[in-house]
Amino acid sequence: QKEVEQNSGPLSVPEGAIASLNCTYSDRVSQSFFWYRQYSGKSPELIMSIYSNGDKEDGRFTAQLNKASQYVSLLIRDSQPSDSATYLCAVISGYQKVTFGTGTKLQVIP
Amino acid sequence: DADVTQTPRNRITKTGKRIMLECSQTKGHDRMYWYRQDPGLGLRLIYYSFDVKDINKGEISDGYSVSRQAQAKFSLSLESAIPNQTALYFCATGRQTQNTGELFFGEGSRLTVL
Repeated sequence: QKEVEQNSGPLSVPEGAIASLNCTYSDRVSQSFFWYRQYSGKSPELIMSIYSNGDKEDGRFTAQLNKASQYVSLLIRDSQPSDSATYLCAVISGYQKVTFGTGTKLQVIP
Repeated sequence: DADVTQTPRNRITKTGKRIMLECSQTKGHDRMYWYRQDPGLGLRLIYYSFDVKDINKGEISDGYSVSRQAQAKFSLSLESAIPNQTALYFCATGRQTQNTGELFFGEGSRLTVL
């Protein structure tokens, strides 16, 4: 079982819709969770972090964490073509190492 | 100038050659990481270092070695390159704080092994 799992997509949503990206993790003691965005040909950049169960909102982005289900999600409201990218879920596990999922490619259709 | 600089940005080499990828940072971070990225496989951790004297293997360290020459420098070596090491390599840095998952990436080094 992979430590961090994501659906590779692509996930296609129309402009203005809500995009929902999901991630599951295997290490029950993980405490810190992150979402990175990676545009094609570029390096990843952090967009959200979440540490407690529940929702965390930042502008059009909402991260959701459910530790009992070992599940993290990212919602993007009012999706824009500029949101088209690969979204990487990351988890701190083991000896403070940062483990990434394989990423979900999001396409926002104008 | 970039805060995390990787050299070279692109390299083509032959099987059996020794290759070194270098990373330097001006962010003052203690933690440095080397990842490789392959299509469909995401970012996989090769090695990570929390300070000059603390180096740890990641999930795919076989065939690689690292050197933390200073707080600001972290090099990745392939002693004898093989074609399946063809990938995009990223160096990243992070602070020694609770938010250890907040990483800052270099622009990547694309390595092709023929």
